[in-house]
Amino acid sequence: KNEVEQSPQNLTAQEGEFITINCSYSVGISALHWLQQHPGGGIVSLFMLSSGKKKHGRLIATINIQEKHSSLHITASHPRDSAVYICAVDMDSNYQLIWGAGTKLIIKP
Amino acid sequence: NAGVMQNPRHLVRRRGQEARLRCSPMKGHSHVYWYRQLPEEGLKFMVYLQKENIIDESGMPKERFSAEFPKEGPSILRIQQVVRGDSAAYFCASSLDPLVYGYTFGSGTRLTVV
Repeated sequence: KNEVEQSPQNLTAQEGEFITINCSYSVGISALHWLQQHPGGGIVSLFMLSSGKKKHGRLIATINIQEKHSSLHITASHPRDSAVYICAVDMDSNYQLIWGAGTKLIIKP
Repeated sequence: NAGVMQNPRHLVRRRGQEARLRCSPMKGHSHVYWYRQLPEEGLKFMVYLQKENIIDESGMPKERFSAEFPKEGPSILRIQQVVRGDSAAYFCASSLDPLVYGYTFGSGTRLTVV
């Protein structure tokens, strides 16, 4: 079992829909990250969370430490949001980021 | 502040050649990390360096791969005698203090071994 699991693997939605991507982890963490990767492109850090909730524009990230679960929400989704969204965790015990497999999001106009 | 600069963006090498991937961290960042993304797979940690020191290389293959972050100049990931299985995207990230500020990633180097 992977230490970081994301769901769904793939998500296709219509423009304007509310999007939720989930991330569960099984290890002790010091922080959780949500990142975005466009095809053939670089990686952009969206959020770093250790508790609670953060909001940036149409993006919202939440984390529940007790349940070891985080969600990334996109409100009023737009085709330019189409990308792979990746959850990664900083483990308590070392310096490595452990990565989820990513969620490929396609927003249709 | 130009962000994390990786070069080259694309690199093609024949089997048996050497590949050198460069990463210039953001100004003032002393923590550098290398990650590898194999085709259709997630990223995997390779190595964590601070200036002139390798802190954790537990993700590096034991042979042919090496990394350095000298006092002056970029961090270098070196792959000797490349094989087809080394074809991947290699990403570098830097940080001032990862648990406070998180990470900034470069655009990656896409290595193709032919």
